[in-house]
Amino acid sequence: DAGVIQSPRHEVTEMGQEVTLRCKPISGHDYLFWYRQTMMRGLELLIYFNNNVPIDDSGMPEDRFSAKMPNASFSTLKIQPSEPRDSAVYFCASSPGRDGTQETQYFGPGTRLLVL
Amino acid sequence: DQQVKQNSPSLSVQEGRISILNCDYTNSMFDYFLWYKKYPAEGPTFLISISSIKDKNEDGRFTVFLNKSAKHLSLHIVPSQPGDSAVYFCAASAVRSSASKIIFGSGTRLSIRP
Repeated sequence: DAGVIQSPRHEVTEMGQEVTLRCKPISGHDYLFWYRQTMMRGLELLIYFNNNVPIDDSGMPEDRFSAKMPNASFSTLKIQPSEPRDSAVYFCASSPGRDGTQETQYFGPGTRLLVL
Repeated sequence: DQQVKQNSPSLSVQEGRISILNCDYTNSMFDYFLWYKKYPAEGPTFLISISSIKDKNEDGRFTVFLNKSAKHLSLHIVPSQPGDSAVYFCAASAVRSSASKIIFGSGTRLSIRP
């Protein structure tokens, strides 16, 4: 398996523009997570899905952020309009779910976003 | 409110010596704890975990210790090697709860010097 795939790897955009980040989870994984990493706040959970259904979006910072998972193999995180403070590395992770003992998540390489 | 805290943002250890990374948590519902390792320009990768029914878990050079009464866990790496230089994230979850959600600490940057 290729692991979790994210695109683009790098994105530079201007303030006010729409940004769409994409993620392909590992096949067969029931959970998908979106995280944001910044120097100040570390690794923050934004939202996660179980079987394509959003379960907890309490970490989504504002209405400018939205996430969708139209099917088991694809998810998007959209920022509209983008602001300079959104600059961060955004990670997608997937997990096979709970087998009673493990909560291991497998992370993608991340998308480094810079909003000018 | 940080539920998982890594109070040392960085740590420097000489090659061959022991590295000890610390983590504190506040939520008593947490019953599963993990350590992730992250290299630059890559996503975090799972390193080792421990369930709350144990107080120690060992995997090669890596050992995680859990002190439930103190709500504290630590990761020991011995002997430390240059390839261990990375950012280490402590994480915790409440497996018995209905939600599969992991809370991460802010990370500790470990540097192994020759």
